[in-house]
Parts: sequence; C-alpha cells; structure tokens
Amino acid sequence: DAMVIQNPRYQVTQFGKPVTLSCSQTLNHNVMYWYQQKSSQAPKLLFHYYDKDFNNEADTPDNFQSRRPNTSFCFLDIRSPGLGDTAMYLCATSSGVAGELFFGEGSRLTVL
Amino acid sequence: RKEVEQDPGPFNVPEGATVAFNCTYSNSASQSFFWYRQDCRKEPKLLMSVYSSGNEDGRFTAQLNRASQYISLLIRDSKLSDSATYLCVVNRFNDMRFGAGTRLTVKP
Repeated sequence: DAMVIQNPRYQVTQFGKPVTLSCSQTLNHNVMYWYQQKSSQAPKLLFHYYDKDFNNEADTPDNFQSRRPNTSFCFLDIRSPGLGDTAMYLCATSSGVAGELFFGEGSRLTVL
Repeated sequence: RKEVEQDPGPFNVPEGATVAFNCTYSNSASQSFFWYRQDCRKEPKLLMSVYSSGNEDGRFTAQLNRASQYISLLIRDSKLSDSATYLCVVNRFNDMRFGAGTRLTVKP
C-alpha cells in the first residue's frame, strides 16, 4: 500500500492560474518535504516541515507557499504559475535525523 | 560552491562492468548520507544508506569518507536493469539535499 500519496498525479494549468498539490502520508513521520524536479535535473528542495516548524529555502520563489494542517497532510500552493514552473513536484517524508526519504509518486505539473 | 557535487556522467558501460560514482559535500556537519536510484519519469527510490564503516548490499558497495567529505557507490557486475540515474543525498538537520545525479546506461 502506498505510504506517501500525492494528488493529482498530473495537472495542466494556464499561466497565472493558481494550483494546489496535495500530499498525505500514513507513516506518521515528523518531517515532510516538497521538491521540484525539472527535466534532466536533480530534485531541488523547496521547503520542509519538522512537525509544524516551517523551513523555507532562501531561493524558493515567493510564488510557492506551503501548508501543513496536521501530521498527515501537506499542501503546495503555486499562486501564479509561470511557464518555468513546469516540473514534477515530489513530496517526501522522513522520521527525522538519520532517516531516509520516502517519496510519493510525484505530481507532474504543466503550465501552458 | 554547491552543497552537494556529483560526477556528471553519463556513464555508458557494458554488462558485467564495474562502475563507481562519487559525490562530495561541503558542510562538515552533515549527518547522514544516502544513494537513491531514479528511473525515467519515476520518483527516486532508496538504494542504500551510507554508513561510516562502509556497507555492502549484494553488488553494491557504499563508502563514506568524512575527512575528505565524499561518499561513493560501487556497482559490480553491472546488469541491464541497473540503467538509471543515481543520486546522492546528504542530510544535515533534516535538510536533505541531492546531488545533480549521474546517469548510468548499461549496454549488452
């Protein structure tokens, strides 16, 4: 059974039209991550939560916001998507410290 | 300087070859280290954690050198199914960062 579930798996949106991607986990992990992965590039960390503590990467655009209403769920909001935001968005969880990352299958976003 | 730097590849090797990937990290306070494998258009999957004493899992051997701040992955007796992108991950206080990834293609 999938332990990290992302929805939607595929999303096509228009330039400037807000998008929300969701992630849920059944692992009860403290840490949740959002990564952006563009074609032929490595995953780039956007932000992560340790419980409710939010950690934003310095170079994450303001256009990207996140919410974690409870342990199980985390959302990525892209307020005004640009063409350059076309990418796969990966959610991952970890138990913390030395724990490995558990990934969802990703949400593939295309901005037209 | 990037926090995690990785051999760019690509590596094209015949079946049965031995191939090694390296990854260096800049922050000496990094706490844990991993190798992930990513197939085309899929999410990364854990290949193995990297322990200070080095560790082996079948044909795969991972090593960590804290003094020189690098980790390595050795694949022996390469199989066609090993073709993928290999990503190193370095963790410091839950800040999990990826290297750029090295693409491996194993050919018959």
